[in-house]
Amino acid sequence: GQQVMQIPQYQHVQEGEDFTTYCNSSTTLSNIQWYKQRPGGHPVFLIQLVKSGEVKKQKRLTFQFGEAKKNSSLHITATQTTDVGTYFCAGRWSGGSNYKLTFGKGTLLTVNP
Amino acid sequence: KAGVTQTPRYLIKTRGQQVTLSCSPISGHRSVSWYQQTPGQGLQFLFEYFSETQRNKGNFPGRFSGRQFSNSRSEMNVSTLELGDSALYLCASSPGQGNNQPQHFGDGTRLSIL
Repeated sequence: GQQVMQIPQYQHVQEGEDFTTYCNSSTTLSNIQWYKQRPGGHPVFLIQLVKSGEVKKQKRLTFQFGEAKKNSSLHITATQTTDVGTYFCAGRWSGGSNYKLTFGKGTLLTVNP
Repeated sequence: KAGVTQTPRYLIKTRGQQVTLSCSPISGHRSVSWYQQTPGQGLQFLFEYFSETQRNKGNFPGRFSGRQFSNSRSEMNVSTLELGDSALYLCASSPGQGNNQPQHFGDGTRLSIL
């Protein structure tokens, strides 16, 4: 089945440093969503990207969708302790059962104050 | 508006038993999806229901089944439990079926198999 590969698996930063997580699919995605899961919590929807080359910003978070719609990234500027959690990308491909949302393994972000 | 409600929150079972988990979606949401989350495999899609019909299914054995009722509430059942079924089971709802719908997750049911 279709997969999204997400790297890195873990990232530890000092507060104030930037953070980036990347997702990659071997085939063209229909769209990609990003979620954040705090420790002990459930995934919370952050954003959805649909268009080729799309860039969306939410305060310190910047989301990008590649021109070929095969990769995506989430960049956090000047991390804060409140950014701690696991960030997941989740992709969908066109056609039949490919519409199911397939999650990457996630990137666990820890922030040292 | 109340969020997605899953019951029970915690469950302990032994191998060979069966279990039923419940999910009440956000009011007005008609699509319910189920996921299994484990440290090793991450979030894996189990199935999706819309209008009482299973619309999509993940790569899980037939021991995993589900259903959706006319009020959009959903249940999933796991029979002949195995140690590897220990996981956090998450339910997510969305307003309708379709590939542009964000998923709203519940807090999950943590299932432990002894």
